[in-house]
Amino acid sequence: DTAVSQTPKYLVTQMGNDKSIKCEQNLGHDTMYWYKQDSKKFLKIMFSYNNKELIINETVPNRFSPKSPDKAHLNLHINSLELGDSAVYFCASSHPRSGGAYNEQFFGPGTRLTVL
Amino acid sequence: GDSVTQMEGPVTLSEEAFLTINCTYTATGYPSLFWYVQYPGEGLQLLLKATKADDKGSNKGFEATYRKETTSFHLEKGSVQVSDSAVYFCALSEDAFGNEKLTFGTGTRLTIIP
Repeated sequence: DTAVSQTPKYLVTQMGNDKSIKCEQNLGHDTMYWYKQDSKKFLKIMFSYNNKELIINETVPNRFSPKSPDKAHLNLHINSLELGDSAVYFCASSHPRSGGAYNEQFFGPGTRLTVL
Repeated sequence: GDSVTQMEGPVTLSEEAFLTINCTYTATGYPSLFWYVQYPGEGLQLLLKATKADDKGSNKGFEATYRKETTSFHLEKGSVQVSDSAVYFCALSEDAFGNEKLTFGTGTRLTIIP
């Protein structure tokens, strides 16, 4: 059984289009994340949600809008796609930190977005 | 803010060679430190972690020791295999309102040749 799944795996689209990437986790985690990995493999957090509430928003353009219909899903909608949005987007999930203890983040397989 | 610096790749080694990938960090608090691995076409997997100074994380023959005095967390393996070929990311975590915010290094691509 896949723990963190993303769809689609590949997404090729034209500049200016609007697209969505879906993420689902079956681990019972309360917290979900979106990361962006650019062409140089640099990986940076974009958003974090805890129980459907936005916790982290790392100065991402407002063309990017995460939506969490329930705590098992965190979708990423991107408006007016630009060339620079081409990247691999990773979803992840974890339990929230409690008592100072770290809880591992589990990553999905990634969605490779190519904007032409 | 917090940051992670790891050695630039790519790194190419022969099978059974000794591996070191350097990682240093900058943090205001007391972060936890991690190495993640990304095999071709896959997502990231946690390889090992250390949550306080002098802790040693280990897994699959890889080791890294949390050195607070040198703010380092270098990854080592005594004898690498072809199957270790992957991209390795050093990362630190800080508590962001009860959630984990991982800050990654730029990744080091490792290729092992038979």
